[in-house]
Amino acid sequence: AQSVTQLGSHVSVSEGALVLLRCNYSSSVPPYLFWYVQYPNQGLQLLLKYTSAATLVKGINGFEAEFKKSETSFHLTKPSAHMSDAAEYFCAVIPMNRDDKIIFGKGTRLHILP
Amino acid sequence: KAGVTQTPRYLIKTRGQQVTLSCSPISGHRSVSWYQQTPGQGLQFLFEYFSETQRNKGNFPGRFSGRQFSNSRSEMNVSTLELGDSALYLCASSSRTGSYNEQFFGPGTRLTVL
Repeated sequence: AQSVTQLGSHVSVSEGALVLLRCNYSSSVPPYLFWYVQYPNQGLQLLLKYTSAATLVKGINGFEAEFKKSETSFHLTKPSAHMSDAAEYFCAVIPMNRDDKIIFGKGTRLHILP
Repeated sequence: KAGVTQTPRYLIKTRGQQVTLSCSPISGHRSVSWYQQTPGQGLQFLFEYFSETQRNKGNFPGRFSGRQFSNSRSEMNVSTLELGDSALYLCASSSRTGSYNEQFFGPGTRLTVL
């Protein structure tokens, strides 16, 4: 079965430091990949998505993610963390089959330390 | 443009009861998807409606059902509630069908089953 794994349910970084949130997927064929963010008491917001056009995908709020087929990874990065980045981040995958059902990872809660 | 709205925001029910949740998509959006979010299972896709037709369905029992009206508003119904149905139910709208299109999420309805 297709799946997506996010390493680390909680990640803490200092303000101004690099943010790295890890996501690995299992798929024999490169799927659609997404990163969503959820702020407290809110729904999800799309940060970025990979649809095979380019391996480095730039999103909103300074985030970007790189698709690495050899590593089946789609890690999310931001060069310098801001306090406002504190939220829960979800990696999601849509396998390239007829199913078209989106599968979310368990989420990583990002804490920003002053 | 107004965002996705969900009503009610909070709901408390007892086992065996049924519940109906409502979602109003962004104006002009014809696709509405529903998701269940729990601490244990994470975010799981329930179903998608587009132009009043169910286009896709997740792996949930038949107690979970939905419908979409001609104005694209959608309702989700859960019958014979169980304790495990306690969750945040998120609705998302999109201008086109398919999870690979950008979805805009509402704030969710938090259902507590006692």
